Parts: sequence; C-alpha cells; structure tokens
Amino acid sequence: GEDVEQSLFLSVREGDSSVINCTYTDSSSTYLYWYKQEPGAGLQLLTYIFSNMDMKQDQRLTVLLNKKDKHLSLRIADTQTGDSAIYFCAVLSSGNTPLVFGKGTRLSVIA
Amino acid sequence: ETGVTQTPRHLVMGMTNKKSLKCEQHLGHNAMYWYKQSAKKPLELMFVYNFKEQTENNSVPSRFSPECPNSSHLFLHLHTLQPEDSALYLCASSQDDNYEQYFGPGTRLTVT
Repeated sequence: GEDVEQSLFLSVREGDSSVINCTYTDSSSTYLYWYKQEPGAGLQLLTYIFSNMDMKQDQRLTVLLNKKDKHLSLRIADTQTGDSAIYFCAVLSSGNTPLVFGKGTRLSVIA
Repeated sequence: ETGVTQTPRHLVMGMTNKKSLKCEQHLGHNAMYWYKQSAKKPLELMFVYNFKEQTENNSVPSRFSPECPNSSHLFLHLHTLQPEDSALYLCASSQDDNYEQYFGPGTRLTVT
C-alpha cells in the first residue's frame, strides 16, 4: 500500500521561506494534499495538486510535485509566527482507496 | 468555521463507561470519516461512510461502533475502552469518497 513520509521537525526564522518535504511510494497517486493543524484544532485543508501538474501557487504557498522522484514539497514564503503548526502531507491513490497521511512536520517559526 | 462540527471537544471517561462522539457536517457532502490521531503516529483511518453506507472499516476493535443515520451526521459510540484509546478523534467529510476532505476540530478523548 501507499507509504507517505515526512520529516518530523522544521525550524525557520520569521520572514524566511519554509520548505516542507514529503515522499510517497504509489506512482498511481492522483491527488496530493497539504493540511495544516494548529494547536488544539483539527486539520485544515491548505492546498492540493493534481498529479498531472508540476506546480501550483496560491499566495504565499507554492506546491511542487516531482512525479519521477515521488516527491512533494510545500514552500511558505515570508513565514510568519502564525504559520507555526503541524503540516500533513496526504496522498490519494487511484481507485477507491482512502487518503494516506504522513506523520506530519512540526514547523516552528522563531521571531 | 470549517463546516464540520464535533461534540464534545473534550471527553474524559472511565474504562467501564459508555459515551458517544458526534459529528455534523454542513457542507452538503455525502461521505464522512472517523480518524484517530495518536501522538507520534500517522493519522489512522477508522471508518468511512458513503451515502450512509459503511465502505471502510480498518480493523477497528468492536469497542468502537460507528453510526451514520444520514449523510450529515456521524456518531462514534464508545464502550469499555482502554487507556491506549486515548487520542484525538477527528471527523471529516467530502463530496464522494475520493475528493478532498474537510475536518472537524476533533474530540480529545482521555480514558482513565
């Protein structure tokens, strides 16, 4: 089955860019998502990308997809203290299969 | 407001208690999900309902019993839980079971 991996921690300075990486194993994955979880809250859908796209930009967020390496990244420009949260990568394979989530990357933003 | 609400937000229960978690979605979706989020573990999918029919049960112990009376409401009935069942239980919904999911805030469950 699908396996999704993320590094557990990332620390950046306020104003810098953050890059959160994710790798997956199923080459037939169709939709790839980034969710944000703030302390004490549920998961919030941030953005997603279809597997036929290489890049998607949405304000400060840029998603890059390298299908050959099965690598997904989320870049946050001008990172703010309010961006401190856990970011989950989630992958949907083709067919009637549920989303598979990574363990999440805890982003800490230092003022 | 995410459109998916969960109650209660926090629950402490003993191992012999019976309680229920409630989820309601106001998004017009027809698929609903229960996830378990434990510390240092990936999010675990527990149950999937599509058009009120259960389509997924990921080997969840029978002490967890889901109920989906309609496409807007989802319950998780709990009985004789174990301390290792303490976790954040998240509900989600989507338009069909292969579209992006929207999550509720979760219920933080502590089993004593």
